[in-house]
Amino acid sequence: GAGVSQSPRYKVAKRGQDVALRCDPISGHVSLFWYQQALGQGPEFLTYFQNEAQLDKSGLPSDRFFAERPEGSVSTLKIQRTQQEDSAVYLCASSLQGRRQPQHFGDGTRLSIL
Amino acid sequence: SQKIEQNSEALNIQEGKTATLTCNYTNYSPAYLQWYRQDPGRGPVFLLLIRENEKEKRKERLKVTFDTTLKQSLFHITASQPADSATYLCALVAMDTGRRALTFGSGTRLQVQP
Repeated sequence: GAGVSQSPRYKVAKRGQDVALRCDPISGHVSLFWYQQALGQGPEFLTYFQNEAQLDKSGLPSDRFFAERPEGSVSTLKIQRTQQEDSAVYLCASSLQGRRQPQHFGDGTRLSIL
Repeated sequence: SQKIEQNSEALNIQEGKTATLTCNYTNYSPAYLQWYRQDPGRGPVFLLLIRENEKEKRKERLKVTFDTTLKQSLFHITASQPADSATYLCALVAMDTGRRALTFGSGTRLQVQP
């Protein structure tokens, strides 16, 4: 496809369950970012990949959050033992290379933890 | 502490008027600043990028200014239309933090009345 694709669009899970969120970036984009967006707020950085290398994970809120991009294209954000405070929209963005390029965002996964 | 501030109150204007949105930042040394548009339930969409050595950037009905002395960026939409109604986010990359991702403000909602 032409844009960044995220799945699922909506995810409901019970507290304590593990979830996995998928991101398909634009083909050929080297950089991939994950953000968390709470209602009424701007996106907050979680982690950054350049190809398959995770170069910055300083925004991950706890060790329950884990991201990977094993072949330098599709990325998965995993949250283990979900908590209610994990409820948010998770956005994925990609760019040609690095932070100087505009970022192209997917429409996000809305995660609700019951 | 580092902050990016956008007016949290919605901006309501009449169709045809110029909308001006403000982004102020403190304790950052941004190399450049970006503006994004976000519609409900969608990811942010890139609009404009302005570098620290540029005073002004234009694209069709959009204009961005960047004043590193005032630590402020202004975003203008001329001849506004109801279709311009959305939330507008400013985001910066600060070279001094070393962070590769964007840091976003919380956004300002614009409502253009027909």
